[in-house]
Order: sequence, then structure tokens, then C-alpha cells
Amino acid sequence: DGGITQSPKYLFRKEGQNVTLSCEQNLNHDAMYWYRQDPGQGLRLIYYSQIVNDFQKGDIAEGYSVSREKKESFPLTVTSAQKNPTAFYLCASSISAGGNQPQHFGDGTRLSIL
Amino acid sequence: DQQVKQNSPSLSVQEGRISILNCDYTNSMFDYFLWYKKYPAEGPTFLISISSIKDKNEDGRFTVFLNKSAKHLSLHIVPSQPGDSAVYFCAAISSGSARQLTFGSGTQLTVLP
Repeated sequence: DGGITQSPKYLFRKEGQNVTLSCEQNLNHDAMYWYRQDPGQGLRLIYYSQIVNDFQKGDIAEGYSVSREKKESFPLTVTSAQKNPTAFYLCASSISAGGNQPQHFGDGTRLSIL
Repeated sequence: DQQVKQNSPSLSVQEGRISILNCDYTNSMFDYFLWYKKYPAEGPTFLISISSIKDKNEDGRFTVFLNKSAKHLSLHIVPSQPGDSAVYFCAAISSGSARQLTFGSGTQLTVLP
């Protein structure tokens, strides 16, 4: 089955630690995205990548880093610089970043601070 | 400053009746609009979209209406079913190279049996 897989589903982090959230897609999509959802708010864009080895900051990139070494993978690192990391993180992909392509989402990772 | 607004955080509708979810936007550069449905602990699922060159798009029980002059769009679900109970997000794409999605804050729809 084609789709987007995010792991783990739940993640706990101690203060001061970096953690990496995994996102893998087998849809052969060029573009991938990371969003953050907080209670009562819409999804906010953290980073996006239009093609392998390229990525751009979204609206709330501070305290996060990404890499795009392979087409199917777009991991997100939440660094210790992110002061309020507790949130639901969603990864998405689309066929391309141009045109009117719906983004397809994984099931998310819920990150909590211990 | 929210560019896409869903002013109703929740909506309850009786099964079989029409559900109308509303969305307003402020950015006149938006030229493509989407609705997503989200169940708890899952990612959003794409439902239906509309280009700014149209004012209506229909797919089964779901119809999206776009009023460009009012910068308003709405999603109609008819007839509503209990399985439609979810959070519905309106999203918009701006003309330009990045084509990023801007999301509203969502409306929780509850369809009562």
C-alpha cells in the first residue's frame, strides 16, 4: 500500500535533548512537508522540501532542522532550542510543489516533554 | 495574523440534515482551496478542492462553494452521517512558486444519530 509512514506515534523527550521524527513515503512524491498542530489551532508549516537535497523554512522553523538526502525520507529534528516542543507533528507529501496538488498526510507523531 | 479563518470551532447537526462549514480568508493571492477531514490521532485526509476560477465543485455528498468577492468558502455535506463527525480544516494555496498550504484552525463537526 502506498502512503506516508511517521514513526514513532508517541515520543517523549527530556528537556535539553534533541529528538528526530521519522517520515517515509513510498508515493514517489517530489515534495514533502512538516507541520505542527497545537490544540485549537490549524497546522503551521515548519519546513518543506520541493526536491531531494533541497529544503526551505516555513513559518515556524526556529528550533527545528531537516534533511532530504533521499526522495522517500524527510526526517525532522526537534532541537533543544525549540522552547515549546510539545505538539502533534504531521508530515505530508505531494506529487510536486507546483500546481494544485493536494498534500497527503501521515498519521502524526505526538511529542511530549518529560 | 490568520489568513484563513474558521470562526466556528464546533457544529452539531442531526443525521440526514445538511452540514455547512464556513471559512473566510484575507489573502487575495490565494487561488486554490481545499478541505481536509481529520479524525483524532490521525493525519488529515483530503476531501475536496476548488480553484478560484470556479464557484462550485461537487463530489458525492460534498460540495464546496467559493465566493471570491466575499473571500468566503463553504463546505456542504448532505445528507450528514455519523461517520462524518470529525474536525474539518479549510486550507488555501497562494499563487507563487512555493504553493504552500495555509490552514484554518478547524471546525469540529458532530453528527447526531
